[in-house]
Amino acid sequence: NAGVTQTPKFRILKIGQSMTLQCTQDMNHNYMYWYRQDPGMGLKLIYYSVGAGITDKGEVPNGYNVSRSTTEDFPLRLELAAPSQTSVYFCASRQGTSGEETQYFGPGTRLLVL
Amino acid sequence: GENVEQHPSTLSVQEGDSAVIKCTYSDSASNYFPWYKQELGKRPQLIIDIRSNVGEKKDQRIAVTLNKTAKHFSLHITETQPEDSAVYFCAAIPGYSSASKIIFGSGTRLSIRP
Repeated sequence: NAGVTQTPKFRILKIGQSMTLQCTQDMNHNYMYWYRQDPGMGLKLIYYSVGAGITDKGEVPNGYNVSRSTTEDFPLRLELAAPSQTSVYFCASRQGTSGEETQYFGPGTRLLVL
Repeated sequence: GENVEQHPSTLSVQEGDSAVIKCTYSDSASNYFPWYKQELGKRPQLIIDIRSNVGEKKDQRIAVTLNKTAKHFSLHITETQPEDSAVYFCAAIPGYSSASKIIFGSGTRLSIRP
């Protein structure tokens, strides 16, 4: 049981490039989330999903897109990367049912946009 | 909307002393309150949680208390050790209509002085 996995661990992008951050969970969780964490700051929710085919915006969705075609995968797409998107990105998942509220985080992807 | 406020933002205590971090929440229907610890360069990890039908929960040196009437909950760490140095986040799951998202506090950076 690997939990929540993310790839890549670290990436440098040039301004205007695009990339996809991958996230996979093997716990059959319904809910999945993408957060960004700027240095010394808290967690900001980008997008989330309550099940395959369903996604919704969080508090900072601009410049990002997501899809949820399967229960396991929840990729985050960055289009036209900007320096303001330099951050650490965490994917997370949880079951979402009563008694199964624990949210598990992936190891993070560190992104630098130059 | 739902909100979780966390205080203090930074806390420095002498090794062996106790540390207390406090959070308040806005949604009186909130029913689950986890605490996460994030060490430098690592992912947030659950250290303890409490449900709304319980007033206090302990796990070795850490404890969480919940006051539903006042809508606040606290993390208590006794006999602090160097490895307790980290950022701590409180969180709450709002009432059922918003139960898809966990609302995080802004974090407390705890430093243990030798």
